[in-house]
Amino acid sequence: SQTIHQWPATLVQPVGSPLSLECTVEGTSNPNLYWYRQAAGRGLQLLFYSVGIGQISSEVPQNLSASRPQDRQFILSSKKLLLSDSGFYLCAWSVSSSNQPQHFGDGTRLSIL
Amino acid sequence: SQQGEEDPQALSIQEGENATMNCSYKTSINNLQWYRQNSGRGLVHLILIRSNEREKHSGRLRVTLDTSKKSSSLLITASRAADTASYFCATDAPGAGSYQLTFGKGTKLSVIP
Repeated sequence: SQTIHQWPATLVQPVGSPLSLECTVEGTSNPNLYWYRQAAGRGLQLLFYSVGIGQISSEVPQNLSASRPQDRQFILSSKKLLLSDSGFYLCAWSVSSSNQPQHFGDGTRLSIL
Repeated sequence: SQQGEEDPQALSIQEGENATMNCSYKTSINNLQWYRQNSGRGLVHLILIRSNEREKHSGRLRVTLDTSKKSSSLLITASRAADTASYFCATDAPGAGSYQLTFGKGTKLSVIP
């Protein structure tokens, strides 16, 4: 069966520090991969998605970037965190065809001090 | 702006009662999905209904879709305390690939034992 791992679960970082969140998927090949951010009490905002290695699409201009160095690995990064980067970050995958559900990791709670 | 908007924002019911949540959206869709999120966790896919379907069932869940009114409803019958969670509808983003989803802000359901 397919599983998705996301770490760390929680992270506290100072303003201006770098960020690296990692997500890996097991049990499937060539998945679509997604990074979302969820503000408290809000819906999900799509940040990046990827349909293949090295293929990244950005939905929102921001302080963050994403990379997909391997088929089942998706990384969210920042060189310098801002206070506004605080939030709950979720990674998800789906089968690479249309009309498919997305499967989510357990998220990373990021607090910027 | 958000494609899907759920209402009510919050709903509190007694165990054993039925819970109904509604979702409205603005543009045409290929499919609509419902997800559940327990506090501090990732989202779990519940059900997907295609634009040419009007009703779908899964266990105690019943989803309806009215494309003429651009609305959907999620009914949970005989609710249990374990159903306490936030529920989100998600629609595929028109013109941007049907694997991209736009989420509403969610309905927070509390089931009181």
